[in-house]
Amino acid sequence: GAVVSQHPSRVICKSGTSVKIECRSLDFQATTMFWYRQFPKQSLMLMATSNEGSKATYEQGVEKDKFLINHASLTLSTLTVTSAHPEDSSFYICSAPRPGLAGKDTQYFGPGTRLTVL
Amino acid sequence: AQSVTQLDSQVPVFEEAPVELRCNYSSSVSVYLFWYVQYPNQGLQLLLKYLSGSTLVESINGFEAEFNKSQTSFHLRKPSVHISDTAEYFCAGQNTDKLIFGTGTRLQVFP
Repeated sequence: GAVVSQHPSRVICKSGTSVKIECRSLDFQATTMFWYRQFPKQSLMLMATSNEGSKATYEQGVEKDKFLINHASLTLSTLTVTSAHPEDSSFYICSAPRPGLAGKDTQYFGPGTRLTVL
Repeated sequence: AQSVTQLDSQVPVFEEAPVELRCNYSSSVSVYLFWYVQYPNQGLQLLLKYLSGSTLVESINGFEAEFNKSQTSFHLRKPSVHISDTAEYFCAGQNTDKLIFGTGTRLQVFP
């Protein structure tokens, strides 16, 4: 079946540093990928839509300069949390739609990256 | 705007009991509906989905959900749960290419 991977699975960093998270579609190409964040015991909130070869589309309230997204190829999107602070600590999850029958895509999710900012 | 509501934040049940996790959606356009399961410290896994056709959809591990247009619901059911079903369950709706998630229901199965 379709697989989406994320790296790293866990990262702990000091406040003020930047952290890059990778999302890869392993057996299909994805011109679009989605980035979510999930706080403890809460639902997933869409942060942005990553578009291959063009700028990402951010949801309202998400800082573009804080969460840099690069979709450099059809199988890789990266999310960089710049100048991370403790309030950025969260579970970051990516997803990629895989084309299905009759043009109906199914979203496949990565396993998530747990970011802890000290 | 489309929204997805999960009415129960937690559902405790004993093993082998039936369970229903409720989900309601609101939308003015056609919707695709999904149930995802999230085990501790893992990402989301697709459990089942409704795109069109038969309103009753089933998963390989005994869960089923029924799309009910008149009640705008997509409740998830299982006739007999196992300890291993303990997880967080998310209902989601898709409009264009975006998924909108409910707040999740924590299913806790006790022996």
